[in-house]
Amino acid sequence: TQLLEQSPQFLSIQEGENLTVYCNSSSVFSSLQWYRQEPGEGPVLLVTVVTGGEVKKLKRLTFQFGDARKDSSLHITAAQPGDTGLYLCAGAGNNAGNMLTFGGGTRLMVKP
Amino acid sequence: NAGVTQTPKFRVLKTGQSMTLLCAQDMNHEYMYWYRQDPGMGLRLIHYSVGEGTTAKGEVPDGYNVSRLKKQNFLLGLESAAPSQTSVYFCASSYHSGLEQFFGPGTRLTVL
Repeated sequence: TQLLEQSPQFLSIQEGENLTVYCNSSSVFSSLQWYRQEPGEGPVLLVTVVTGGEVKKLKRLTFQFGDARKDSSLHITAAQPGDTGLYLCAGAGNNAGNMLTFGGGTRLMVKP
Repeated sequence: NAGVTQTPKFRVLKTGQSMTLLCAQDMNHEYMYWYRQDPGMGLRLIHYSVGEGTTAKGEVPDGYNVSRLKKQNFLLGLESAAPSQTSVYFCASSYHSGLEQFFGPGTRLTVL
């Protein structure tokens, strides 16, 4: 069992649809990061949320940090084929070295 | 700036062989990390370094060794490769723990 559980693991949708990806834990994190990874490349940071209840928007992407700082969600409006990729959440602040703990990822495919 | 670079990009080993994965960063970051990525498991931390000359164990350190002789380089060694070490390996760096990590493009390793 992973410390950070992401759901769903896989998602295949049509262009224009909306979707939400979840990142849940029983642990509290001081901050949470969302990364996107494209095939053959390393993850790239999309956003960091720090405050419980915080909402951040990045164009069509909306990120929310839970009030208790144990969970987060990523909502994509009107998905486009360019959104295809692996989305990873990563929490900080729950271990002695303050290392990031990564979730298992959500693989998104947006069909044109 | 090249960011984080990794060599080689692909490698096939036979069980029992050894190899070294090279990681270099040009951002003057103190922190460097080695992860492995397996399907559905997200990124798991193997070893990390908080500065030149220092190394520490992560979540899955067994079978791996690391060295950080220079601030810009972080080497990951496999002394006697096993099929269970078949994975994609990512190097990352950051200015400080818990902050945004910058990833290399990955090394795909297959152990037969």
